[in-house]
Amino acid sequence: AQSVAQPEDQVNVAEGNPLTVKCTYSVSGNPYLFWYVQYPNRGLQFLLKYITGDNLVKGSYGFEAEFNKSQTSFHLKKPSALVSDSALYFCAVRDIGGGNEKLTFGTGTRLTIIP
Amino acid sequence: DVKVTQSSRYLVKRTGEKVFLECVQDMDHENMFWYRQDPGLGLRLIYFSYDVKMKEKGDIPEGYSVSREKKERFSLILESASTNQTSMYLCASSPHRAASLIEKLFFGSGTQLSVL
Repeated sequence: AQSVAQPEDQVNVAEGNPLTVKCTYSVSGNPYLFWYVQYPNRGLQFLLKYITGDNLVKGSYGFEAEFNKSQTSFHLKKPSALVSDSALYFCAVRDIGGGNEKLTFGTGTRLTIIP
Repeated sequence: DVKVTQSSRYLVKRTGEKVFLECVQDMDHENMFWYRQDPGLGLRLIYFSYDVKMKEKGDIPEGYSVSREKKERFSLILESASTNQTSMYLCASSPHRAASLIEKLFFGSGTQLSVL
């Protein structure tokens, strides 16, 4: 069965510092990987996705993520954090060819940017 | 921009009541989804639909049913609400069934349901 793990419930970063939100996945086939962000009292918004091709994916609001097949990871990164980046971040995976093509979400990581 | 509208932001119901959660999307999307979001559990798929009058079970369908009579509207029904159904419910849509694997989801703002 496919799964995705976000090992950190909470990440705190000082404004202006680089940030990383970690995500690892487990699939039997090939993964399609997604990051979503949820601001307070809002639904989820799409940030970026990896389908195929370049392992470094760029997305909205200056975020990027690197697909690492050998480490089964898809960490979200940003070179310089803003206070407005404070939100709840979800990683999600689809297992292509694994017999279950539903989108499976991680448990979420709350990112707090400290001014 | 795509708009996915959920009829209520907050809802309080009593145990045993029948509850309807409504979701409407305005961009002629084929695919619609209902998730519930719980702290520490992330999002879990309840039901989804790729077409009018079509529905498929997600990972946690027990205690829920859905209705899709029109393409733009997808309703989640709690036949007899229970306290363990207290949760944030999120509706989502995506454009095309054929590309559903790679397309992003567009989410509504959510309905926080409390069952007392």
